[in-house]
Amino acid sequence: QSALTQPASVSGSPGQSVTISCTGTTSDVGGYNFVSWYQQHPGKVPKLMIYHVTNRPSGVSNRFSGSKSGNTASLTISGLQAEDEADYYCTSYTSSSTLVFGGGTKLTVL
Amino acid sequence: QVQLLESGPGLVKASETLSLTCSVSGYPISSGYYWGWIRQPPGKGLEWIGSIFHSGSTSYNPSLQSRVTISVDTSKNQFSLKLNSVTAADTAVFYCARSPHCFSGSCHNGGLYFEYWGQGTLVPVSS
Repeated sequence: QSALTQPASVSGSPGQSVTISCTGTTSDVGGYNFVSWYQQHPGKVPKLMIYHVTNRPSGVSNRFSGSKSGNTASLTISGLQAEDEADYYCTSYTSSSTLVFGGGTKLTVL
Repeated sequence: QVQLLESGPGLVKASETLSLTCSVSGYPISSGYYWGWIRQPPGKGLEWIGSIFHSGSTSYNPSLQSRVTISVDTSKNQFSLKLNSVTAADTAVFYCARSPHCFSGSCHNGGLYFEYWGQGTLVPVSS
């Protein structure tokens, strides 16, 4: 299975919004509403931010939102804050009953 | 509060077998969920290795399937990973995690996402 495609990096200024894309195929992202997103600060454990495309776990800021169109899922972070600077990974369930991660996106808050 | 903790040797020699155990507290593995392993080479991204249900049903990353075995011991509330014939490319931080597999009354083999993670353990492979 091939990794999902994410931009290597994105950036934004405090207060702005940024969107990170995650592109797959009809066998994963496009075929199921089972996309999740993780935030990872350097040297830290990944943290679940979004599951099932749009759902936020308890305790995750509502500044984080997810969506999907066709084979591409997106994570939008609004009202950017310095603490949002981190690596972000998407993952999707696949038609082979497996999970596949994206390559990761480094978010820089300018 | 669900907690997971990885344990295993701090160093593995090339061509040998990497073995790790994940000890779970705060939730009995036998009650459900898939339990998975994820790795992250230094400076690189996350890679799903595989997951196991309490019944022993497994799902593996096709790229690693020939070298991976995941097992579960419900009496100890633990699950384990074995990766054989390791090379330097297998050097990574290994995480264990809990993975829900049901949604809206429908359940899916392998799990759907990772909600609770262990702290991770770095396993270098020496040549």
